[in-house]
Amino acid sequence: SAVISQKPSRDICQRGTSLTIQCQVDSQVTMMFWYRQQPGQSLTLIATANQGSEATYESGFVIDKFPISRPNLTFSTLTVSNMSPEDSSIYLCSARTDTQYFGPGTRLTVL
Amino acid sequence: AQRVTQPEKLLSVFKGAPVELKCNYSYSGSPELFWYVQYSRQRLQLLLRHISRESIKGFTADLNKGETSFHLKKPFAQEEDSAMYYCARVDSSYKLIFGSGTRLLVRP
Repeated sequence: SAVISQKPSRDICQRGTSLTIQCQVDSQVTMMFWYRQQPGQSLTLIATANQGSEATYESGFVIDKFPISRPNLTFSTLTVSNMSPEDSSIYLCSARTDTQYFGPGTRLTVL
Repeated sequence: AQRVTQPEKLLSVFKGAPVELKCNYSYSGSPELFWYVQYSRQRLQLLLRHISRESIKGFTADLNKGETSFHLKKPFAQEEDSAMYYCARVDSSYKLIFGSGTRLLVRP
């Protein structure tokens, strides 16, 4: 199993600013992922965070808007850049060991 | 496209009634399927995976390849089962593809 923590748990930001979300896993994992859950919606994969190389983004998501770091096997960050109200969402970090586990999420509100 | 479909947004039942949350998938091979649950103000957590064929909290789910379904069932619903339930499958890159979710409301 894996225990995943995220910081911050929530934030309220002004449009045009950026927020970096941190994800920490209690064990080394090969695969980490970032998801978005918009209000009233299901989870959508943003990208796969690859250790030692660039993240792999899904259709509709780009590195300039959602830069991701993965400096080691237990940590990743997601930055939401140049935010607009449409970015208001819950952002979840996930890691795969025997199966996929999720962090508690970061609730972002953009004014 | 690889899809996971949950046709019901909301399922409301009375305590003690049977529950079936529907999930259909589009995939021609052998899928790896899961049910995740999200209780109010808690993180998303794994409920079941089809390869383990286990029963968790009284819930079971059987993979039906002929119908491409993985419905979640419980014979007697409890109020504490009220939550959001997501069906998901893993693609070849280990990415989870989620259904739209079904909110289960168990009334007293």
